[in-house]
Amino acid sequence: SQTIHQWPATLVQPVGSPLSLECTVEGTSNPNLYWYRQAAGRGLQLLFYSVGIGQISSEVPQNLSASRPQDRQFILSSKKLLLSDSGFYLCAWSEGQELFFGEGSRLTVL
Amino acid sequence: KQEVTQIPAALSVPEGENLVLNCSFTDSAIYNLQWFRQDPGKGLTSLLLIQSSQREQTSGRLNASLDKSSGRSTLYIAASQPGDSATYLCASEGTYKYIFGTGTRLKVLA
Repeated sequence: SQTIHQWPATLVQPVGSPLSLECTVEGTSNPNLYWYRQAAGRGLQLLFYSVGIGQISSEVPQNLSASRPQDRQFILSSKKLLLSDSGFYLCAWSEGQELFFGEGSRLTVL
Repeated sequence: KQEVTQIPAALSVPEGENLVLNCSFTDSAIYNLQWFRQDPGKGLTSLLLIQSSQREQTSGRLNASLDKSSGRSTLYIAASQPGDSATYLCASEGTYKYIFGTGTRLKVLA
């Protein structure tokens, strides 16, 4: 069966520091991969999605970037965090229909 | 640009009640409509997926319907239980992209 792993689960970072959140999917090949952000009291905002290795689509201009170095690995990065980057980050995958989520990473920028 | 709205934003009901959660979307050219549950601080759990060719799906006490022409989906929960307390989100799938509503926060009182 397919599983999705996302880490770290919790992160507290100072303003201006770098960020790296990692997500891996097991048990499937060539999945579509997604990064969402959920700010307090708000809905899920699609940040990036990828339909293949090296193929990244950005949905919202922001301080973040994404990479897909391997088929089942998706990384969310920032060179310098802003206070507004705080939130709950969720990785997800699909094979074209049903969407499945990881457990999320809570980022607090101080 | 697809917009997804969920009404009501919050709902509190006594145990045993049947209830309906609403989801509306502006662009009817969707592939699928998916309902999720989110517990506090957790990732999203898929509840039901309705493909565009289908009109409804059922799982246990949950029934979801889809009317693409009117841009609406409903999630019906029968005989609600305290364990159903969570935030329920719907998402419409376009070409690779899943757009979410802001959710309905449900509390079922024992």
